Amino acid sequence: GENVEQHPSTLSVQEGDSAVIKCTYSDSASNYFPWYKQELGKRPQLIIDIRSNVGEKKDQRIAVTLNKTAKHFSLHITETQPEDSAVYFCAASIDYGGSQGNLIFGKGTKLSVKP
Amino acid sequence: NAGVMQNPRHLVRRRGQEARLRCSPMKGHSHVYWYRQLPEEGLKFMVYLQKENIIDESGMPKERFSAEFPKEGPSILRIQQVVRGDSAAYFCASSPSGRAGDEQFFGPGTRLTVL
Repeated sequence: GENVEQHPSTLSVQEGDSAVIKCTYSDSASNYFPWYKQELGKRPQLIIDIRSNVGEKKDQRIAVTLNKTAKHFSLHITETQPEDSAVYFCAASIDYGGSQGNLIFGKGTKLSVKP
Repeated sequence: NAGVMQNPRHLVRRRGQEARLRCSPMKGHSHVYWYRQLPEEGLKFMVYLQKENIIDESGMPKERFSAEFPKEGPSILRIQQVVRGDSAAYFCASSPSGRAGDEQFFGPGTRLTVL
């Protein structure tokens, strides 16, 4: 089955710096890659996603890149702010052509943004 | 439009008791996923259900765990004869069609503690 690896497990940056989190996946049939942000004790919330027919997607300070050949995708946060501090999870999903969308998650990256 | 609802938010059980976790999907969503999050870890897929059907239970332990999503009412994840290792946060998510690429909206989670 699909396996998603995520690095680093912890990341500390100064406010204003950029943060990059990387994930790799094993199944080349995966075609949907969302990123979730989870604050302490809260639910995971989708912050950005990308599909396999796109190489890059941006939303204000957040961007995601996808390299299908290498089977890896990355989250980029620019101009980090203290409120960006949270645990970030990458995930992958395979479309078997029917109704199947369960997500396989990485183990998470705890991002700390120091003021 | 109310989001995904889960109850109870916190549940304490003694070893050997039963735990029932409820999930009401977003209005208009008929696809429900259950995930388990152990402390300091990512979310692991357990089961995917549509109304009155279990579509994929490949992530659910074969014994003591069961799930249902009746025609009327919430989806229920049931854990019989709980053990300490069942202590975790259990999240459900819903999506409109269940297809890969659909955003999954997460509930607030139920935090199960087994004494």
